[in-house]
Amino acid sequence: AQSVAQPEDQVNVAEGNPLTVKCTYSVSGNPYLFWYVQYPNRGLQFLLKYITGDNLVKGSYGFEAEFNKSQTSFHLKKPSALVSDSALYFCAVRWDGAGNTPLVFGKGTRLSVIA
Amino acid sequence: EAQVTQNPRYLITVTGKKLTVTCSQNMNHEYMSWYRQDPGLGLRQIYYSMNVEVTDKGDVPEGYKVSRKEKRNFPLILESPSPNQTSLYFCASASEPYNEQFFGPGTRLTVL
Repeated sequence: AQSVAQPEDQVNVAEGNPLTVKCTYSVSGNPYLFWYVQYPNRGLQFLLKYITGDNLVKGSYGFEAEFNKSQTSFHLKKPSALVSDSALYFCAVRWDGAGNTPLVFGKGTRLSVIA
Repeated sequence: EAQVTQNPRYLITVTGKKLTVTCSQNMNHEYMSWYRQDPGLGLRQIYYSMNVEVTDKGDVPEGYKVSRKEKRNFPLILESPSPNQTSLYFCASASEPYNEQFFGPGTRLTVL
């Protein structure tokens, strides 16, 4: 079975400081990994994904994530946080098997960027 | 504009009264899915569809039905809603299952 863990319910960071939102996963095959962001009263928006290739993935709004196969992690990072980055962040994984393999989401991490 | 639409956006109903939440996408996507979002539990998949007439259960399918008669539409049906189905529901679509999903704005359902 596949699963995703976001170990922190809440992350607080000062504006201008680097931020990291952690994600670890478990799948039976090769993972497809995603990060989504949810702003208040909105649906989820795609940030970035890892399918294959370079372990460092760059996405929207200056975010990036690093795939680490040995640690089964896919942490989301940004060099300099903005107040507007405050939102709920979800990591998700599916494995690369053919056919019906659903996308599994973590429970989410609330990021607060303080001015 | 490429989008996923859901209706209604808000719904308050009573136990046992059948309801349907519609979902439509205009991106010609093969893959569509329904999720529910509950505090502390994140998003959990209810049902998904790989293509027309192909649907499958997600993690929490009990009490829900879906159909995929046309590529663009993927309605969620609650035959006999119960209070534990009070939640925020999202529909999503993707060109392929391993590609990024586009989410609708959500439907907040309250079952009394």
